Amino acid sequence: GENVEQHPSTLSVQEGDSAVIKCTYSDSASNYFPWYKQELGKRPQLIIDIRSNVGEKKDQRIAVTLNKTAKHFSLHITETQPEDSAVYFCAAALGGYQKVTFGTGTKLQVIP
Amino acid sequence: DAGITQSPRHKVTETGTPVTLRCHQTENHRYMYWYRQDPGHGLRLIHYSYGVKDTDKGEVSDGYSVSRSKTEDFLLTLESATSSQTSVYFCAISEGDRYGYTFGSGTRLTVV
Repeated sequence: GENVEQHPSTLSVQEGDSAVIKCTYSDSASNYFPWYKQELGKRPQLIIDIRSNVGEKKDQRIAVTLNKTAKHFSLHITETQPEDSAVYFCAAALGGYQKVTFGTGTKLQVIP
Repeated sequence: DAGITQSPRHKVTETGTPVTLRCHQTENHRYMYWYRQDPGHGLRLIHYSYGVKDTDKGEVSDGYSVSRSKTEDFLLTLESATSSQTSVYFCAISEGDRYGYTFGSGTRLTVV
């Protein structure tokens, strides 16, 4: 089955700096890559996703990149704010029944 | 709210007892999923459903069963609870192929 590795497990940045979280996946057939943000005690929420026919996608301060050849994808957050502090999960999915395999999460702390 | 509710929100049960968690959706989505979340493991798929009476196993299905007799309800049963099943359980729904999940608020289960 699919295996998703995520790094780093924890990340501390100063407010205003950028944060980058990296993931790799094992199944070259995976074609959908969502990212979820989970605040303490809350449910995970989808923040951005990318499909395999796209190399990059941006939404305000958040961007994702995908390198299908290397089976890497990354989340970039610019101009970080304290409210960005949360656990972020990358994931990979093979179409059809949309079974999603998650990474183990990155705890991001933005220091004011 | 998000159109998906889980019950109960918290439960403490004794080892060896059966436990049923309920997920209810009002979105009429075809796909429903049960995940468990544990520190260091991220979110791991237990079972999923792609229609009424259509279910399949995920990566950590041992000790769990599911049923879906109506589109809106997906039940997860721990047949004989063990301490290793102490976890936070999330239900999720999806519109289908390469669409993101909407998660429920989670059920915190403690097996003593």
